[in-house]
Amino acid sequence: AIQLTQSPSSLSASVGDRVTITCRASQGISSALAWYQQKPGKAPKLLIYDASSLESGVPSRFSGSGSGTDFTLTISSLQPEDFATYYCQQFNSYPPMYTFGQGTKLEIK
Amino acid sequence: EVQLVESGGGLVKPGGSLRLSCAASGFTFSNAWMSWVRQAPGKGLEWVGRIKSKTDGGTTDYAAPVKGRFTISRDDSKNTLYLQMNSLKTEDTAVYYCTTEEYSSSWVLDYWGQGTLVTVSS
Repeated sequence: AIQLTQSPSSLSASVGDRVTITCRASQGISSALAWYQQKPGKAPKLLIYDASSLESGVPSRFSGSGSGTDFTLTISSLQPEDFATYYCQQFNSYPPMYTFGQGTKLEIK
Repeated sequence: EVQLVESGGGLVKPGGSLRLSCAASGFTFSNAWMSWVRQAPGKGLEWVGRIKSKTDGGTTDYAAPVKGRFTISRDDSKNTLYLQMNSLKTEDTAVYYCTTEEYSSSWVLDYWGQGTLVTVSS
C-alpha cells in the first residue's frame, strides 16, 4: 500500500507567517491528494482535494500544490484560528483503503 | 446542512462488543458512500472501513486491523450508518468518526461527525 510521509511533524510559527507543510507519497499518485485540518477536540475538516482544489468555504490563504510523489500545503499568512494539526490523505484503489499522513502540528511561536 | 451524529460509544472490556450508530441528515443518505475513521488518543487518523450505496452494490471494505471483527451496515430507511465491533482489543480504543465520501479525481472524506469515544479496558 502507498504510504504518506509528512514533514515536519511539528512546526512553530507566528501570526502572519507563511507556512509550508510537505507530504511525500511512497509512489506516484498523480494529483489524488487531499488535506485536512483538525483542531483539538474537533473532527477533521476537508481543506483541499485533488492536490490544489480549495473546498468550498475554505479561506483563500490556504493553497495546495504538487503531483506525483511530492505535495505541499501552504498557508500564506497565518491567522490565530489556523493553529491546528494538518493531515494529508490519499486513496488506494486496490486494496480499497484511505491512507493518511502522520500529521503536522502547527503551534504558535 | 449536512449533519452526522455518532452515538453508542462507551467503556467495554477486551473481547466485548459494541455497536456504534451514525444518524445522517441534510443529504440523500441512500446515495452516499460512507466511511468510519478512528483516532486513538493523541494519535493520527486511521481509516476503518466503508460501505457503498445500495445502488452501487452496498459492498463493504475494511482496514486490515479490523477485518473479520468489525462490520459496517446501513439502514437507508432510518438514514443511519452502523459499526458493529466484536472481539474488541485495547488497541481499538479511539474516537470513531463517521464520514461521507466524495469522488472528484479520487476519493475524499468531505463531511465528518463529531465522533464518539470507545474505550476498551478491563
